[in-house]
Amino acid sequence: QSALTQPPSVSGSPGQSVSISCTGTSSDVGDYDRVSWYQQSPGTAPKLVIYDVSNRPSGVPDRFSGSKSGSTASLTISGLRAEDEADYYCSSYTRSTAFFLFGTGTKVTVL
Amino acid sequence: QLQLQESGPGLVKPSETLSLVCSVSGDSIGSGRYYWGWIRQSPGRGLQWIGSIYFRGNTFYNPSLKSRLTISIDTSNNQFFLKLTSVTAADTAVYFCARAPGIFYSDGSGYHTGFDYWGRGTLVTVST
Repeated sequence: QSALTQPPSVSGSPGQSVSISCTGTSSDVGDYDRVSWYQQSPGTAPKLVIYDVSNRPSGVPDRFSGSKSGSTASLTISGLRAEDEADYYCSSYTRSTAFFLFGTGTKVTVL
Repeated sequence: QLQLQESGPGLVKPSETLSLVCSVSGDSIGSGRYYWGWIRQSPGRGLQWIGSIYFRGNTFYNPSLKSRLTISIDTSNNQFFLKLTSVTAADTAVYFCARAPGIFYSDGSGYHTGFDYWGRGTLVTVST
């Protein structure tokens, strides 16, 4: 497996909640709580918003939350704001020879 | 405050070697609590993990790049390095260096979690 699978795009209106899925296998997401999520705005470096499935780094609003069920992890953004419009990527450690994987990326649009 | 800064040529000719340096300030890369990694992003595309290194020099590479890739580290100068040989236009990308918390075991195995600090990235174009 070369990448974790994410939907290409999701959208929502301000104040709504959106969720992004990240599907892997039993060699990565399904077997380890080492899923992270990143937010990337155009022309900037990715910013870590969730690590180890559900932990928020200091300074990340609690509107961002993470969870996992089986081999699928999810990022939920509650109370959607215009500044949340960005690309989001998941990542995970994998015990396969690949060692570390990123997701395919999801563009979040705030309507 | 931890800072990472990528540096190197912005233009590389096809078949030549791409070489980048990541300079780290605000923390010692020899602390043993972190891995140091390279990630790239082709124009308009997603993130691709290139490889990661532990301060003792132990490396983990993306299998698709492994035959052309060398990542090394210089703890005395707080820098780590990327060399990618025989480049083609497909290697044109923004290259990021980053830090990831992790654990390294004495048997040579280990893992790291997500990358928590990133450099700003440097665009490398492969072209004649």
